[in-house]
Amino acid sequence: DQQVKQNSPSLSVQEGRISILNCDYTNSMFDYFLWYKKYPAEGPTFLISISSIKDKNEDGRFTVFLNKSAKHLSLHIVPSQPGDSAVYFCAARSTGTASKLTFGTGTRLQVTL
Amino acid sequence: KAGVTQTPRYLIKTRGQQVTLSCSPISGHRSVSWYQQTPGQGLQFLFEYFSETQRNKGNFPGRFSGRQFSNSRSEMNVSTLELGDSALYLCASSLQGFGGANVLTFGAGSRLTVL
Repeated sequence: DQQVKQNSPSLSVQEGRISILNCDYTNSMFDYFLWYKKYPAEGPTFLISISSIKDKNEDGRFTVFLNKSAKHLSLHIVPSQPGDSAVYFCAARSTGTASKLTFGTGTRLQVTL
Repeated sequence: KAGVTQTPRYLIKTRGQQVTLSCSPISGHRSVSWYQQTPGQGLQFLFEYFSETQRNKGNFPGRFSGRQFSNSRSEMNVSTLELGDSALYLCASSLQGFGGANVLTFGAGSRLTVL
């Protein structure tokens, strides 16, 4: 049972445009959501997070939106840069489960020139 | 500050063998967790250790086990390897856990190929 879903395996965006990566979840107990970015041959690196009590969190070019009623979150990257080309994983955590993150299957973002 | 170090980076085993992977967390981090990454499955949680105790466990068979030492270094072991165990095994460390984002810092992983 995939509790965190990223339905788009890949996304291609032109440099300078907005990239929007989507994630859906089914578990109402999730209270924290995170995005990780992964380059080939490297481990995932933390990008941005959001608590379930908020609906938006911004960090430079990256903004995460959370819609609890729809159980949906999205990551916006504006403007997109070639260095953003990577696999992006959405992850969620339930209260009290500390380091146990439930990950989506990832979306490969390609930023073209 | 040194990152999370995993060894070996690559290894090849045959079915039925066993394997031990090692993880050295960031200095001061007491929590170590392990994830398996396979194509199409994303990252799946194996287990988490905190102060030498297993604190959380994922849905993997008993062939997968782990431990943590007093210096927070951790090892995971897979016995009686199967072809489906071929994957990238990622270790992550964090300060302690509960509350807040508890950001995990991942190592580069150990890529296991089972023939």
